[in-house]
Amino acid sequence: QVQLQQSGPGLVKPSQTLSLTCAFSGDSVSSNSAAWNWIRQSPSRGLEWLGRTYYRSKWYNDYAVSVKSRITINPDTSKNQFSLHLNSVTPEDTAVYYCARGRIAAAWGAFDIWGQGTMVTVSS
Amino acid sequence: DIQMTQSPSSVSASVGDRVTITCRASQGISSWLAWYQQKPGKAPKLLIYAASSLQSGVPSRFSGSGSGTDFTLTISSLQPEDFATYFCQQANSFPTFGGGTKVEIK
Repeated sequence: QVQLQQSGPGLVKPSQTLSLTCAFSGDSVSSNSAAWNWIRQSPSRGLEWLGRTYYRSKWYNDYAVSVKSRITINPDTSKNQFSLHLNSVTPEDTAVYYCARGRIAAAWGAFDIWGQGTMVTVSS
Repeated sequence: DIQMTQSPSSVSASVGDRVTITCRASQGISSWLAWYQQKPGKAPKLLIYAASSLQSGVPSRFSGSGSGTDFTLTISSLQPEDFATYFCQQANSFPTFGGGTKVEIK
């Protein structure tokens, strides 16, 4: 049973970097059949996919256009986890952040396992 | 980005009712469509993928249909635990979500 466990601060100051980690067992961040995603949800923006990292003989990253200049998602194979770094945050980045497993082949790109969510507030 | 439009934004229904939610994509996405259920304070839960495939463990009263641009989620007989918000998501390109449909008690 795969479970994703998120960790990271719930309060970030404007202009600083938001950093979250998603750790899990029961699957591998290096899996050839999964992609590891960050998604956020806010009343103003709804559910918004931010980006993903995945391994297919080498590592790939895809990022949403809306955050592409500010985002990095990194896999950590030694700890079987992946992280989100979003820099230069503003109050508009206030949201609940989720990590999620995407299954391209097995579930046609759907997100079948989600983390518990982290409410991140951007405020001084 | 592919825009996903859900309707209605909310629906009031009673236990035992048949409920239908629609999702329209701004361009064709074949069957790259998933449906999720979300309850307050919880992460979304996958119900349907590939437009009509039931995720393991999801009750058979949930079904999905459609392809191309128009999709439907149907709950055949609404149960008390089904009162929640439902989202569609396309995976034909970078993922995008619909705005949600809240199913409320009538």
